[in-house]
This record gives sequence, C-alpha cells and structure tokens, in this order.
Amino acid sequence: RKEVEQDPGPFNVPEGATVAFNCTYSNSASQSFFWYRQDCRKEPKLLMSVYSSGNEDGRFTAQLNRASQYISLLIRDSKLSDSATYLCVAFSNSGYALNFGKGTSLLVTP
Amino acid sequence: GAVVSQHPSRVICKSGTSVKIECRSLDFQATTMFWYRQFPKQSLMLMATSNEGSKATYEQGVEKDKFLINHASLTLSTLTVTSAHPEDSSFYICSGARNGETQYFGPGTRLLVL
Repeated sequence: RKEVEQDPGPFNVPEGATVAFNCTYSNSASQSFFWYRQDCRKEPKLLMSVYSSGNEDGRFTAQLNRASQYISLLIRDSKLSDSATYLCVAFSNSGYALNFGKGTSLLVTP
Repeated sequence: GAVVSQHPSRVICKSGTSVKIECRSLDFQATTMFWYRQFPKQSLMLMATSNEGSKATYEQGVEKDKFLINHASLTLSTLTVTSAHPEDSSFYICSGARNGETQYFGPGTRLLVL
C-alpha cells in the first residue's frame, strides 16, 4: 500500500467552481504535510503547508485530520490557471524524505 | 524563495553510455539534496538522499552502483546514470533543503535512452 494515496481524477470543473481534493496517509509518524502543484512536464512547486489547525491562503484552504490520517485541499472560485496536478505530500522527520501521492489532476474550463 | 537549477534540462543518449546531471542551489546552501525520479503518470519517487560530504543514502530498489551521487559542496550535487538503458528514461528531479527546512525543487532533467 502506498504511503500517500490520492484520487487521480481528473476533476473537470467550470471557472468559478469550488473543488476539494482529499488525500490519506498511512504512516502515523508523519510529521508535516504539504500540497504541491505540478504543471505538465514541470517540477513540483510548493503550494502550501498543512497545519493541524487548518490554514488558508487566498482561495486555497488546507485541512489536516490526524485521527483519520486525512488531508484536504479546497479551492474556491477556480481559475483557468489552477489547472494542474496537485500532489499531496507527507514528510517524516526521521529521514527528511517527502512521500508524494500520485497527484490529482484538475482541469478548469471556461 | 530559494532557487535550484539543474543541467541539462533534457538529454538523449545511446544505450550503454553514462549521463551526468548537475543540481545546484543558487542562492542558499543545501545541507541535504534529494534525487527523485518520476515516470509518466506516476508520483515522484525518492531515489536517494545525500548530505554534503557524506555518502548518499539510497532507497530500497535503487542501485547505488548504477546511480552515482556526489554531493561535494553545499551548492552542488551530481547524479550519474551509468550504462543507461531505455528503462532508465525518466524525469529526474533534484531538490535541496537547508537544515531540514522546506525542499526546493530543480526544474528537472528529462532523460531519453535510445
């Protein structure tokens, strides 16, 4: 079983829609969590960290549920430029390694 | 934010040859550098972790004699794919981290082995 699992999608949504992605992780020792964005044929870029208290950055809101080992990302008022693959990432301090999910593909259409 | 560069951005080589990929942290000192590989429609898979001046730690299933990693300075790490074969064709991405902080990724290197 992979350490980080995501629904690969694709999620096709119209501009302005709200969309939510979920992710589960299997290693209860994971300390930190992130969402990365990866555009086609490019390197991943950090979108936001995920804190236990939840955090918001503009149209993006991330939530962490440690009891259920579940992370979410909510995108409000989707823009065409949000089209990308969103990677859920768990970080285990013991090795500094990032465990990536396969990614969820989002396509925002006009 | 911190910038990491990789060179070359893409390379095509013949089967059996060796390819060296460079990863540089341009505006920070990366005490730890990571090498990942991503096959089409797959997630990034960690290949190895290297700390400056130390031998790299390889993930299970990654051959250390085939993927040679050198991290001779705080701003440069190299990955050499020795005797490359078509199945080594992939997107190789490095990242650098300073003292366990956020990892910053390079732009990646696309390797195609014919």
